Amino acid sequence: GENVEQHPSTLSVQEGDSAVIKCTYSDSASNYFPWYKQELGKRPQLIIDIRSNVGEKKDQRIAVTLNKTAKHFSLHITETQPEDSAVYFCAPGGTDKLIFGTGTRLQVFP
Amino acid sequence: EAGVAQSPRYKIIEKRQSVAFWCNPISGHATLYWYQQILGQGPKLLIQFQNNGVVDDSQLPKDRFSAERLKGVDSTLKIQPAKLEDSAVYLCASTRNPGQGYNEQFFGPGTRLTVL
Repeated sequence: GENVEQHPSTLSVQEGDSAVIKCTYSDSASNYFPWYKQELGKRPQLIIDIRSNVGEKKDQRIAVTLNKTAKHFSLHITETQPEDSAVYFCAPGGTDKLIFGTGTRLQVFP
Repeated sequence: EAGVAQSPRYKIIEKRQSVAFWCNPISGHATLYWYQQILGQGPKLLIQFQNNGVVDDSQLPKDRFSAERLKGVDSTLKIQPAKLEDSAVYLCASTRNPGQGYNEQFFGPGTRLTVL
């Protein structure tokens, strides 16, 4: 089955710094690459996604880059704020099924 | 629009007891998912419905778990009998119609199950 890994598993940054989380996957048929944010005790929520025919997408302080050949994609958060503290999951998949990664806990210190 | 609704929010049972969770997806969403999220892990898909039919239940432990979506709207997930390792948050999610393109999965607040 699909193998999805995230690195690092935990990440601590100072407010204002950048954070990068990498997701590697094994299924070459994956063509949809979302990132979900889950705050403590809350539900996962989509923050950004990218399709397989696009290499990069930006939305204000967050961006996702995709390397389909190498089968990895990354989440980039610039100018981090304390409210960015959460667990982030990548979930590569197709049009109707996602496989969630192992999660990365991001802590942003003021 | 109203979000995905789930109940109960919390449940504590003893092992070997049975439990049921309910989910009402966003109106008009054809596809419904049940996930199990064990503490410190990502959500793991248990079962996927398209309207009232099962699309994927390959990771559902069918000896103890069952799910139904009889009228293609709300759904029930049951565990009977429960084991200690079933302690987790059970998340329900829905999407509009994935056959028409990529769709965001909207999650409910989850049911936190503790098995003692």
